[in-house]
Amino acid sequence: EPEVTQTPSHQVTQMGQEVILRCVPISNHLYFYWYRQILGQKVEFLVSFYNNEISEKSEIFDDQFSVERPDGSNFTLKIRSTKLEDSAMYFCARGGQGTYEQYFGPGTRLTVT
Amino acid sequence: GEDVEQSLFLSVREGDSSVINCTYTDSSSTYLYWYKQEPGAGLQLLTYIFSNMDMKQDQRLTVLLNKKDKHLSLRIADTQTGDSAIYFCAESPPRYSSYKLIFGSGTRLLVRP
Repeated sequence: EPEVTQTPSHQVTQMGQEVILRCVPISNHLYFYWYRQILGQKVEFLVSFYNNEISEKSEIFDDQFSVERPDGSNFTLKIRSTKLEDSAMYFCARGGQGTYEQYFGPGTRLTVT
Repeated sequence: GEDVEQSLFLSVREGDSSVINCTYTDSSSTYLYWYKQEPGAGLQLLTYIFSNMDMKQDQRLTVLLNKKDKHLSLRIADTQTGDSAIYFCAESPPRYSSYKLIFGSGTRLLVRP
């Protein structure tokens, strides 16, 4: 299965700024996911996106977060007003041929200062 | 609650077998997974096992599943220095329609030459 790609690999931003993390390119899959991993902690589910709609979101995924698939290929995660505690690795994943498989991208390291 | 447990660290000598253990929480989880994370990289899907199986073998990897005890293990035969990484166990409880993954905290495997 082809890998998922993500950009940028590292993003540094100031607290309160908006950031957009991208998952590119995405072939014609139905399921997409965002997870994050705060340094030294577990990988946590943020949101799942199915058929161009949010299918499930975690408690972490509050109003500051949004996801889009604006042009049918890129899958984005937007954080409207970043906080220090948003600093983490953010992983995009897609479903595979079977819906039970998930393939992860290399991640974007977000540093909020 | 949901808490997938793993031991934090394992050190083995090159050529020996490694066994990484995991306990999961939801006995109805249909699929259980092992992911590998190398430094600075994303999560690589190593293997997964369907809950109606006790064992799955894939080259040097053997997965054992004990549903009664909710215990999953990953055995790596003839461990190589390139196997040094963090190994994550994950479950996908069917109550989540999005097939989201719940991860353990990861086991850091160090292979000594």
